[in-house]
Amino acid sequence: DAKTTQPPSMDCAEGRAANLPCNHSTISGNEYVYWYRQIHSQGPQYIIHGLKNNETNEMASLIITEDRKSSTLILPHATLRDTAVYYCIVRSSNNAGNMLTFGGGTRLMVKP
Amino acid sequence: GAVVSQHPSWVICKSGTSVKIECRSLDFQATTMFWYRQFPKQSLMLMATSNEGSKATYEQGVEKDKFLINHASLTLSTLTVTSAHPEDSSFYICSARDFGETYGYTFGSGTRLTVV
Repeated sequence: DAKTTQPPSMDCAEGRAANLPCNHSTISGNEYVYWYRQIHSQGPQYIIHGLKNNETNEMASLIITEDRKSSTLILPHATLRDTAVYYCIVRSSNNAGNMLTFGGGTRLMVKP
Repeated sequence: GAVVSQHPSWVICKSGTSVKIECRSLDFQATTMFWYRQFPKQSLMLMATSNEGSKATYEQGVEKDKFLINHASLTLSTLTVTSAHPEDSSFYICSARDFGETYGYTFGSGTRLTVV
Protein backbone atom coordinates (compact mmCIF):
# COMPACT_ATOMS: atom_id res chain seq x y z
CA ASP A 1 0.00 0.00 0.00
CA ALA A 2 1.09 3.55 -0.75
CA LYS A 3 2.78 5.59 1.94
CA THR A 4 1.28 8.83 3.23
CA THR A 5 2.81 12.03 4.59
CA GLN A 6 1.01 14.27 7.08
CA PRO A 7 2.10 17.26 9.15
CA PRO A 8 2.78 16.11 12.71
CA SER A 9 0.56 18.70 14.35
CA MET A 10 -1.96 21.45 13.67
CA ASP A 11 -3.99 23.89 15.69
CA CYS A 12 -7.50 25.06 14.93
CA ALA A 13 -9.82 27.53 16.63
CA GLU A 14 -13.08 26.16 17.93
CA GLY A 15 -15.91 26.73 15.45
CA ARG A 16 -13.59 27.17 12.50
CA ALA A 17 -12.95 24.68 9.76
CA ALA A 18 -10.03 22.31 10.25
CA ASN A 19 -8.26 21.35 7.03
CA LEU A 20 -5.92 18.41 7.39
CA PRO A 21 -3.68 17.66 4.41
CA CYS A 22 -2.25 14.32 3.32
CA ASN A 23 0.21 13.53 0.55
CA HIS A 24 0.07 10.15 -1.13
CA SER A 25 2.02 10.69 -4.31
CA THR A 26 2.61 6.97 -4.95
CA ILE A 27 -1.05 6.00 -4.77
CA SER A 28 -2.15 3.49 -7.39
CA GLY A 29 -5.39 3.26 -9.28
CA ASN A 30 -7.17 0.77 -7.04
CA GLU A 31 -6.17 2.32 -3.72
CA TYR A 32 -8.62 4.18 -1.56
CA VAL A 33 -7.87 7.03 0.84
CA TYR A 34 -9.15 6.36 4.37
CA TRP A 35 -9.23 8.74 7.31
CA TYR A 36 -9.40 7.62 10.91
CA ARG A 37 -8.95 9.52 14.12
CA GLN A 38 -7.84 8.47 17.57
CA ILE A 39 -8.91 10.32 20.64
CA HIS A 40 -6.56 9.84 23.56
CA SER A 41 -6.58 6.30 24.99
CA GLN A 42 -9.29 5.06 22.64
CA GLY A 43 -9.32 2.90 19.54
CA PRO A 44 -9.25 4.58 16.13
CA GLN A 45 -12.57 5.77 14.74
CA TYR A 46 -13.50 5.69 11.07
CA ILE A 47 -14.23 9.11 9.57
CA ILE A 48 -14.51 8.86 5.81
CA HIS A 49 -12.97 7.28 2.73
CA GLY A 50 -12.88 7.86 -1.01
CA LEU A 51 -11.38 6.71 -4.28
CA LYS A 52 -11.34 9.73 -6.57
CA ASN A 53 -14.50 11.72 -6.05
CA ASN A 54 -14.95 14.12 -3.18
CA GLU A 55 -16.96 12.66 -0.36
CA THR A 56 -19.03 14.12 2.46
CA ASN A 57 -20.72 12.59 5.45
CA GLU A 58 -22.03 13.80 8.79
CA MET A 59 -18.54 14.01 10.23
CA ALA A 60 -16.38 15.49 7.52
CA SER A 61 -15.61 16.13 3.87
CA LEU A 62 -12.82 14.54 1.89
CA ILE A 63 -11.32 16.43 -1.03
CA ILE A 64 -9.10 14.38 -3.34
CA THR A 65 -7.03 16.14 -5.98
CA GLU A 66 -7.61 15.23 -9.61
CA ASP A 67 -4.26 13.42 -9.85
CA ARG A 68 -5.08 11.68 -6.54
CA LYS A 69 -1.64 12.45 -5.15
CA SER A 70 -3.00 14.34 -2.19
CA SER A 71 -6.16 14.85 -0.22
CA THR A 72 -7.61 17.09 2.48
CA LEU A 73 -9.90 16.16 5.32
CA ILE A 74 -12.20 19.00 6.29
CA LEU A 75 -13.96 19.24 9.62
CA PRO A 76 -16.34 22.12 8.85
CA HIS A 77 -16.90 23.41 12.39
CA ALA A 78 -14.29 22.01 14.73
CA THR A 79 -15.21 21.48 18.37
CA LEU A 80 -13.02 20.77 21.37
CA ARG A 81 -14.03 17.12 21.10
CA ASP A 82 -12.40 16.94 17.68
CA THR A 83 -8.99 17.17 19.36
CA ALA A 84 -7.35 13.90 18.32
CA VAL A 85 -4.70 12.32 16.12
CA TYR A 86 -5.92 12.03 12.54
CA TYR A 87 -4.55 9.27 10.34
CA CYS A 88 -4.62 9.26 6.55
CA ILE A 89 -4.24 5.72 5.19
CA VAL A 90 -4.08 4.52 1.62
CA ARG A 91 -4.89 0.94 0.86
CA SER A 92 -6.28 -1.36 -1.71
CA SER A 93 -9.83 -2.39 -1.01
CA ASN A 94 -9.78 -5.59 -3.00
CA ASN A 95 -8.06 -7.82 -0.49
CA ALA A 96 -10.13 -8.95 2.44
CA GLY A 97 -7.11 -9.79 4.54
CA ASN A 98 -5.29 -6.52 4.11
CA MET A 99 -4.62 -4.68 7.33
CA LEU A 100 -4.45 -0.94 7.83
CA THR A 101 -0.95 0.46 8.14
CA PHE A 102 -0.77 3.58 10.27
CA GLY A 103 1.71 6.39 9.75
CA GLY A 104 2.47 9.15 12.20
CA GLY A 105 -0.79 11.04 11.73
CA THR A 106 -1.56 14.68 12.51
CA ARG A 107 -2.22 15.72 16.07
CA LEU A 108 -5.04 18.26 15.82
CA MET A 109 -5.50 20.56 18.77
CA VAL A 110 -8.76 22.49 18.77
CA LYS A 111 -8.48 25.55 20.98
CA PRO A 112 -11.22 27.66 22.55
CA GLY B 1 -22.72 0.07 12.40
CA ALA B 2 -20.25 -2.67 13.17
CA VAL B 3 -19.09 -2.92 16.76
CA VAL B 4 -15.94 -4.53 18.10
CA SER B 5 -15.82 -5.11 21.83
CA GLN B 6 -12.48 -5.43 23.58
CA HIS B 7 -12.02 -6.59 27.15
CA PRO B 8 -10.60 -5.69 29.57
CA SER B 9 -10.15 -1.98 29.00
CA TRP B 10 -7.23 -1.92 31.39
CA VAL B 11 -5.24 -4.45 33.38
CA ILE B 12 -2.35 -4.36 35.80
CA CYS B 13 -0.38 -7.54 36.27
CA LYS B 14 2.77 -8.69 37.97
CA SER B 15 5.89 -9.41 36.01
CA GLY B 16 6.03 -13.04 34.92
CA THR B 17 2.29 -13.60 34.78
CA SER B 18 0.12 -13.98 31.70
CA VAL B 19 -2.71 -11.75 30.57
CA LYS B 20 -5.50 -12.55 28.11
CA ILE B 21 -7.24 -9.86 26.06
CA GLU B 22 -10.48 -10.61 24.24
CA CYS B 23 -11.75 -9.07 21.03
CA ARG B 24 -15.31 -9.75 19.92
CA SER B 25 -17.23 -8.72 16.84
CA LEU B 26 -20.70 -8.10 18.25
CA ASP B 27 -22.97 -7.99 15.24
CA PHE B 28 -20.94 -9.46 12.44
CA GLN B 29 -18.63 -12.35 11.71
CA ALA B 30 -14.93 -11.75 11.24
CA THR B 31 -12.73 -14.38 9.66
CA THR B 32 -9.80 -12.03 10.08
CA MET B 33 -8.94 -9.79 12.98
CA PHE B 34 -5.88 -7.65 13.55
CA TRP B 35 -3.92 -6.92 16.71
CA TYR B 36 -2.01 -3.67 17.12
CA ARG B 37 0.23 -2.30 19.84
CA GLN B 38 0.72 1.36 20.59
CA PHE B 39 3.39 2.85 22.84
CA PRO B 40 2.95 6.34 24.30
CA LYS B 41 3.01 9.12 21.70
CA GLN B 42 3.60 6.63 18.92
CA SER B 43 1.43 5.31 16.13
CA LEU B 44 -0.27 1.93 16.00
CA MET B 45 1.99 -0.93 14.99
CA LEU B 46 0.51 -4.11 13.60
CA MET B 47 1.53 -7.15 15.65
CA ALA B 48 -0.34 -9.97 13.97
CA THR B 49 -3.22 -11.01 11.79
CA SER B 50 -5.59 -13.44 13.43
CA ASN B 51 -7.27 -15.97 11.15
CA GLU B 52 -10.31 -17.98 12.21
CA GLY B 53 -9.52 -21.67 12.33
CA SER B 54 -5.86 -21.32 11.44
CA LYS B 55 -2.60 -19.96 12.77
CA ALA B 56 -2.03 -16.27 13.16
CA THR B 57 0.40 -14.42 10.97
CA TYR B 58 2.92 -12.40 12.96
CA GLU B 59 4.77 -9.30 11.84
CA GLN B 60 8.53 -9.32 11.80
CA GLY B 61 9.99 -8.90 15.25
CA VAL B 62 6.88 -10.03 17.13
CA GLU B 63 7.47 -13.18 19.17
CA LYS B 64 4.70 -15.66 18.45
CA ASP B 65 5.46 -17.68 21.59
CA LYS B 66 5.11 -14.61 23.74
CA PHE B 67 1.99 -13.18 22.12
CA LEU B 68 -0.36 -16.11 21.69
CA ILE B 69 -3.31 -15.53 19.42
CA ASN B 70 -6.36 -17.74 19.24
CA HIS B 71 -9.22 -17.17 16.80
CA ALA B 72 -11.47 -20.11 17.59
CA SER B 73 -14.75 -18.65 16.34
CA LEU B 74 -15.97 -16.13 13.80
CA THR B 75 -16.65 -13.58 16.53
CA LEU B 76 -13.81 -13.97 18.99
CA SER B 77 -10.06 -13.55 18.90
CA THR B 78 -7.86 -13.55 21.98
CA LEU B 79 -4.36 -12.25 22.57
CA THR B 80 -2.45 -13.70 25.50
CA VAL B 81 0.70 -11.94 26.64
CA THR B 82 2.70 -14.68 28.29
CA SER B 83 5.30 -14.10 30.99
CA ALA B 84 4.68 -10.39 30.80
CA HIS B 85 7.47 -7.95 31.60
CA PRO B 86 7.41 -4.19 32.14
CA GLU B 87 8.52 -3.58 28.55
CA ASP B 88 5.26 -5.24 27.41
CA SER B 89 3.31 -2.42 29.01
CA SER B 90 1.43 -0.82 26.16
CA PHE B 91 -1.96 -0.10 24.62
CA TYR B 92 -3.24 -3.11 22.69
CA ILE B 93 -5.97 -2.63 20.10
CA CYS B 94 -7.84 -5.12 17.95
CA SER B 95 -9.61 -4.52 14.67
CA ALA B 96 -11.97 -6.38 12.37
CA ARG B 97 -13.75 -5.75 9.11
CA ASP B 98 -17.46 -6.12 8.58
CA PHE B 99 -17.98 -6.86 4.91
CA GLY B 100 -21.53 -5.68 5.23
CA GLU B 101 -20.11 -2.21 5.71
CA THR B 102 -18.41 -0.27 2.97
CA TYR B 103 -16.16 1.81 5.10
CA GLY B 104 -13.50 -0.63 6.18
CA TYR B 105 -12.33 -1.54 9.60
CA THR B 106 -13.78 -1.22 13.07
CA PHE B 107 -11.52 -0.97 16.10
CA GLY B 108 -11.97 -2.05 19.65
CA SER B 109 -11.60 0.48 22.42
CA GLY B 110 -8.19 -0.84 23.37
CA THR B 111 -6.63 -2.45 26.44
CA ARG B 112 -4.11 -0.60 28.56
CA LEU B 113 -1.67 -3.18 29.95
CA THR B 114 0.63 -2.22 32.80
CA VAL B 115 3.14 -4.78 34.00
CA VAL B 116 4.64 -4.06 37.41
